[in-house]
Amino acid sequence: NAGVTQTPKFQVLKTGQSMTLQCAQDMNHEYMSWYRQDPGMGLRLIHYSVGAGITDQGEVPNGYNVSRSTTEDFPLRLLSAAPSQTSVYFCASSKLTGGTYEQYFGPGTRLTVT
Amino acid sequence: SQQGEEDPQALSIQEGENATMNCSYKTSINNLQWYRQNSGRGLVHLILIRSNEREKHSGRLRVTLDTSKKSSSLLITASRAADTASYFCATGRGNTNAGKSTFGDGTTLTVKP
Repeated sequence: NAGVTQTPKFQVLKTGQSMTLQCAQDMNHEYMSWYRQDPGMGLRLIHYSVGAGITDQGEVPNGYNVSRSTTEDFPLRLLSAAPSQTSVYFCASSKLTGGTYEQYFGPGTRLTVT
Repeated sequence: SQQGEEDPQALSIQEGENATMNCSYKTSINNLQWYRQNSGRGLVHLILIRSNEREKHSGRLRVTLDTSKKSSSLLITASRAADTASYFCATGRGNTNAGKSTFGDGTTLTVKP
């Protein structure tokens, strides 16, 4: 299994541009999430999904859209990039097993908005 | 706002010593997780402790949870240089929220050889 994969690894955008960060998992996990991590800080939840066709907002959803058309894929769209969105973005997936769960994280996408 | 707060923010120890990191949180939880993040990498799940558990072990890791004090601690025994990383606690509100965790800002651990 490849686990959780993210593309691209690095991206530079100009203010106002849009782009999609890709996330895929091959573990058949129901739950998928997008987090952002700013320097020296923990992760903040942007959006999450409990299954195909179901998404919900997290702590910092403004400026981002998501969709979940398949179990495997959970892309994150930046609608109009702003410098405040410069961050490292992590995608995660998890599955309930025996009443507990473990989140698996992708390697991250480093985004710079100029 | 962040749910969890780790203490200390940074910790430097010698190889072979034990490292203890603490996490405090604000609201009721279903579980608490600890993660490790090596520099420039993604997070790796270390251990999850449920709200009805008080202590859990995994190899050289020992996690405690005190729900009355809304706090948890992570103990790494006999530390190694390879344990150098940032450690984060994250809280979960329930199994129906498995995709949602609220993270603290982390403790940066440096283990000197």
